[in-house]
Amino acid sequence: EADIYQTPRYLVIGTGKKITLECSQTMGHDKMYWYQQDPGMELHLIHYSYGVNSTEKGDLSSESTVSRIRTEHFPLTLESARPSHTSQYLCASSEDRNEKLFFGSGTQLSVL
Amino acid sequence: RKEVEQDPGPFNVPEGATVAFNCTYSNSASQSFFWYRQDCRKEPKLLMSVYSSGNEDGRFTAQLNRASQYISLLIRDSKLSDSATYLCVVSEGSGAGSYQLTFGKGTKLSVIP
Repeated sequence: EADIYQTPRYLVIGTGKKITLECSQTMGHDKMYWYQQDPGMELHLIHYSYGVNSTEKGDLSSESTVSRIRTEHFPLTLESARPSHTSQYLCASSEDRNEKLFFGSGTQLSVL
Repeated sequence: RKEVEQDPGPFNVPEGATVAFNCTYSNSASQSFFWYRQDCRKEPKLLMSVYSSGNEDGRFTAQLNRASQYISLLIRDSKLSDSATYLCVVSEGSGAGSYQLTFGKGTKLSVIP
């Protein structure tokens, strides 16, 4: 079983609120990722990190930001949530030089 | 053109049946290939990597055809527990030892009693 955790599992919030989705892993992986997935659609990479103090934007434009101050922690923040942000957000990690991804259980975000 | 294409299904098959999924990719420089399984409202989990020589893991067989740029997944003796969405994932090198993974939309399988 993967040791990667996301909180909260579900979040319903009003428009304009600031939210932070938490992701932590205890496997010591350098590489971490945030994906966004809508029902029946493919995963889209929105942010990734190859180590502490390294963050990059992914393929899908996103209004969210990320930080990587510690190896095990990779939170994603939305400064002002909008209904268009409603989606499932999946965090993942992988070993350096290993492409196998371990996913967290995801956060289902609903913005009203 | 989508980079990784899969037949979305759904594939509805009886228990015990053999079912095959195909996936095509557009980038001939793609280096690594995987099948992930995703249950409804759950996270994806790696099912198996796909090697050039083809590989088997129990009832599951994966094959790669680089010339035609497709990979396949064969499931023999389907079980009810095989019901899930199967995601095709392709990796491309992006320099300096890093890589980018591209996910297909997935093929939904429903195994019926």
